[in-house]
Amino acid sequence: KNEVEQSPQNLTAQEGEFITINCSYSVGISALHWLQQHPGGGIVSLFMLSSGKKKHGRLIATINIQEKHSSLHITASHPRDSAVYICAVKRGAQKLVFGQGTRLTINP
Amino acid sequence: KAGVTQTPRYLIKTRGQQVTLSCSPISGHRSVSWYQQTPGQGLQFLFEYFSETQRNKGNFPGRFSGRQFSNSRSEMNVSTLELGDSALYLCASSSTTDTQYFGPGTRLTVL
Repeated sequence: KNEVEQSPQNLTAQEGEFITINCSYSVGISALHWLQQHPGGGIVSLFMLSSGKKKHGRLIATINIQEKHSSLHITASHPRDSAVYICAVKRGAQKLVFGQGTRLTINP
Repeated sequence: KAGVTQTPRYLIKTRGQQVTLSCSPISGHRSVSWYQQTPGQGLQFLFEYFSETQRNKGNFPGRFSGRQFSNSRSEMNVSTLELGDSALYLCASSSTTDTQYFGPGTRLTVL
C-alpha cells in the first residue's frame, strides 16, 4: 500500500461544477502539499497545510490530522483548471512522498 | 524575481552514456531538491541540498548523484544511463518557508 493515496485517479466534470479531490496518508506528517501540473510538465505549488483549512481564490484545501486525510476543492470549475493535481506529504525533515495524482478534465 | 530555471530542457542520450542536468534556484533560496517523474512511478524524490550539503537522499542507485555550489546552483549527474532513466527531471527550490517552487523540468530520453 502506498503511503499516499489519492482518489479519484481520473475525474471529468462540466464547467461550473464543484470538484473534490481526496488524499489519504498512512504516517504522521509535518506538512501536506497540494501541487498542480499542467500538460507540458510545469508544477505549481498550490497549498502547504499542517492543520485546518486554506483558501486561495476558487481553491480550498482542508486537512484532518486525526483522520490522516486532506481534500482539495475547486468551486465554479473552469476548463483552465484541467490539470493533474498531486498530493505530497512530508515527515519532519524527511523527503516529500507523492501520491499518484488525479487527472482532472473540465469540459466547457 | 526570476523563477527556477533548468537546463537543458530536452536531452536525448544513448544507453551507457552519462548526463549532467543543471538547476538555478530562485535568488536567495538555499535549498534545492531534485525529483524524477515517470508515467509508471509518478514523482519520486531524488535528493535535497542545502548550503552545499546533501540533506536527504531518495531510494535511487549510486548512478544518480548531485551537488550544490556556493551560489546555490545545483547539478545532478546520471552515469551509465539505462532505458528506464527516461523521465522528466524536476528541480525545486525553497527558502525557509518550505513551499517548493518548481522549475520547468528537463525531459531526458534514453535510446
